[in-house]
Amino acid sequence: DIQMTQSPSSLSASVGDTITITCRASHSISINLSWYQQKPGKAPQLLIYGASTLHSGVPPRFSGSGSGTDFTLTIYSLQPEDFATYFCQQSYSSLETFGQGTVLDIK
Amino acid sequence: QLQLQGSGPRLVKPSETLSLTCTVSDASIRNTAYYWTWIRQSPGKGLECIGSVYFTGTTHINPSLNSRVTISIATSRRQFSLELRSMTSADTAIYFCARRSGWAFDSWGQGTLVSVSS
Repeated sequence: DIQMTQSPSSLSASVGDTITITCRASHSISINLSWYQQKPGKAPQLLIYGASTLHSGVPPRFSGSGSGTDFTLTIYSLQPEDFATYFCQQSYSSLETFGQGTVLDIK
Repeated sequence: QLQLQGSGPRLVKPSETLSLTCTVSDASIRNTAYYWTWIRQSPGKGLECIGSVYFTGTTHINPSLNSRVTISIATSRRQFSLELRSMTSADTAIYFCARRSGWAFDSWGQGTLVSVSS
């Protein structure tokens, strides 16, 4: 299995801040990397696929980059609705795997 | 907008079989672009892909669960289903159905919390 490791596991920030979450794959996955946002009691929602392509309806303050084994999710000018848990997920191998999640909360 | 509606029991006894069904709101269940997937989430294991099914009935199952899992599809009913046999407390989780499009899971059901207890 391809292991996905996110850092940090938790992060405190304020409205208006810019934050970055990192995801590292145990093997090269090209750009087969997606990011999701999950709020309590809800299913994850797709933000970014192909490492950097915004899913339909996702605000442009979300940005993804990277290829190979190292990827980042950046959120510019945090809004109150952005405080949630974020997951990365690889689809390079036939068994898709997720990172353990990064909890973003309000400082 | 596509909706996925999961249904099934929320409490299962140890050693019994979990049966869940996901109903797809539109005809995309027959679309060649999509795979229909079961994913579960637990505090211990995080998000874990259980397996997926194509409209043809072809499946791909997580090898760690392969011996206990059956995933099937009924396109005429716009449904796909999960059976997980020999349930234990380690299978307690929220079970999601989802649609995979290309690289990503772009639509998810609301999730069903399944507990294993006698």
